[in-house]
Amino acid sequence: DAMVIQNPRYQVTQFGKPVTLSCSQTLNHNVMYWYQQKSSQAPKLLFHYYDKDFNNEADTPDNFQSRRPNTSFCFLDIRSPGLGDAAMYLCATSSAGRDLNTEAFFGQGTRLTVV
Amino acid sequence: AQTVTQSQPEMSVQEAETVTLSCTYDTSESDYYLFWYKQPPSRQMILVIRQEAYKQQNATENRFSVNFQKAAKSFSLKISDSQLGDAAMYFCAYRSRYGNKLVFGAGTILRVKS
Repeated sequence: DAMVIQNPRYQVTQFGKPVTLSCSQTLNHNVMYWYQQKSSQAPKLLFHYYDKDFNNEADTPDNFQSRRPNTSFCFLDIRSPGLGDAAMYLCATSSAGRDLNTEAFFGQGTRLTVV
Repeated sequence: AQTVTQSQPEMSVQEAETVTLSCTYDTSESDYYLFWYKQPPSRQMILVIRQEAYKQQNATENRFSVNFQKAAKSFSLKISDSQLGDAAMYFCAYRSRYGNKLVFGAGTILRVKS
């Protein structure tokens, strides 16, 4: 019973060609995160949504955008992928304001290759 | 800003033995949560154990336990009776009680030898 689902699992895109990664959740969590993880490194937070409030990290390149049309879905748009954007992209969800669900639940990730 | 430091890039343990992974963090807050996450190769990141900073008692989950030293800002993970399935990258993470950001350490690769 997958709770955080990322599609696709593997994505190959051409240098400079816009690409969108998607994430959906069945947990009804109000917080959704996008992380970039390069090989054997810590996940790096790109941005997160608290409900519809978008919170961008200061060092996230403008090339990365996000949309959250409703509670269940969140998208990561890379406007002009460069070779340095090849990575695993992780989506996660959590609840804010309720102590019982402080942990984040992760999807399986989308591995992006830029050719 | 909060930071999380894992000083052991790699650790090895013999099957059935005990291993401890280290984590330190820096924060000016008094109320927060600490986590250990496990990421097996090419698999999903999952929660191993969680500690609330306001609780003095160390969290335990079966073979996994933590040594939480709030004053020292230290949060180590002990894995007892190590199994081959424990082999993974382990991340220490911090979350403020009143914020949403989850901050990760650099990770420790754990290898389990049979």
